[in-house]
Amino acid sequence: SAVISQKPSRDICQRGTSLTIQCQVDSQVTMMFWYRQQPGQSLTLIATANQGSEATYESGFVIDKFPISRPNLTFSTLTVSNMSPEDSSIYLCSVEGTGPAEQFFGPGTRLTVL
Amino acid sequence: KNQVEQSPQSLIILEGKNCTLQCNYTVSPFSNLRWYKQDTGRGPVSLTIMTFSENTKSNGRYTATLDADTKQSSLHITASQLSDSASYICVVSRAFNDYKLSFGAGTTVTVRA
Repeated sequence: SAVISQKPSRDICQRGTSLTIQCQVDSQVTMMFWYRQQPGQSLTLIATANQGSEATYESGFVIDKFPISRPNLTFSTLTVSNMSPEDSSIYLCSVEGTGPAEQFFGPGTRLTVL
Repeated sequence: KNQVEQSPQSLIILEGKNCTLQCNYTVSPFSNLRWYKQDTGRGPVSLTIMTFSENTKSNGRYTATLDADTKQSSLHITASQLSDSASYICVVSRAFNDYKLSFGAGTTVTVRA
């Protein structure tokens, strides 16, 4: 299994500001994923990030709001831009595993926007 | 409408007791179903995986069942421990390499001494 770390683990931010979340993996992986987990709701895929190409965003998520970088095979960042209280959530990164439809998840970043 | 529905939303049980969590899905086609455990402040960790041809799978005190005909799965926790307190998430995929997974909202289990 992959070991994934995320920074920061939590943050409280002011409306209108931006926060960049880092995701570091202990092994090289092709695909990395970013999810949002709102209270009481299921995980929602924001985008898929492959090294060397632009991220692929899911319906309802746009690059201007959630820019993603993937500079190498072990690292990715997700920026939450121009934040509003509705962006308060847990953001998780994950990587593909070797089993069928398997993913390993990071510990998440708990974001609160005031 | 979410294609993976879990019940109950939450439950409280006494240490040592058993409990069963339910997952109903409408995802089609169906490839496999996983149950994940998510401790507070951590990411989800896979407990079991079942394909359409499997009816039951165990991982220690956790036993998952699958009825692909009725599109229902359950996760049974035997002799619960305080460390079982977590959210349990049912996740369904359409294909072996499908990375667009369908997640349930989870069942929050609280085990009390």
